[in-house]
Amino acid sequence: AQTVTQSQPEMSVQEAETVTLSCTYDTSENNYYLFWYKQPPSRQMILVIRQEAYKQQNATENRFSVNFQKAAKSFSLKISDSQLGDTAMYFCAFRGPGNKLVFGAGTILRVKS
Amino acid sequence: DTEVTQTPKHLVMGMTNKKSLKCEQHMGHRAMYWYKQKAKKPPELMFVYSYEKLSINESVPSRFSPECPNSSLLNLHLHALQPEDSALYLCASSLGLAGAMYNEQFFGPGTRLTVL
Repeated sequence: AQTVTQSQPEMSVQEAETVTLSCTYDTSENNYYLFWYKQPPSRQMILVIRQEAYKQQNATENRFSVNFQKAAKSFSLKISDSQLGDTAMYFCAFRGPGNKLVFGAGTILRVKS
Repeated sequence: DTEVTQTPKHLVMGMTNKKSLKCEQHMGHRAMYWYKQKAKKPPELMFVYSYEKLSINESVPSRFSPECPNSSLLNLHLHALQPEDSALYLCASSLGLAGAMYNEQFFGPGTRLTVL
């Protein structure tokens, strides 16, 4: 069974600074996808970024980028130029051939002005 | 339209009541999901429908009864719930299940359920 671990329950960052959220996972699969989802307070969960395991190049989406280390089974999210609207719960998630989305425990990120 | 809608937003019910949650999407997605989420916890998968057929039931108690009347609509019927069932119930949809690990799941805003 796959597991996803987010070891940082809460983090804070100053506006305009950079922050990195950690995620590790465990799987015996070779082909899978990794996702970061964002859930703002009282708002919908949305996809931030996704990474295919077979792609060596790290995914980027504007201010969001990942550091995917397949051998280490690590998938961290870097948020550059943090904005107040980035305040949210961030979930790392794994999806393999079984098609279930396995979530980590989440990291609450607070962006301070 | 890239939206999943859920009604009602809030629901308070007694343990003897029968109520239903509704979820709708018009993105042409053929996979739909129900999740339960407790405060500051990740969503827990309850049910998955693929092409209007139930494909995954995560051993959910029978007091929760899902229904998928058509490809756009997903219901969750509730009966004789317990206070510990109080949670945010999220609906999600994606293009499909078969060989589609990359498919993004689009989440609705959820229904906040309180069982008294």
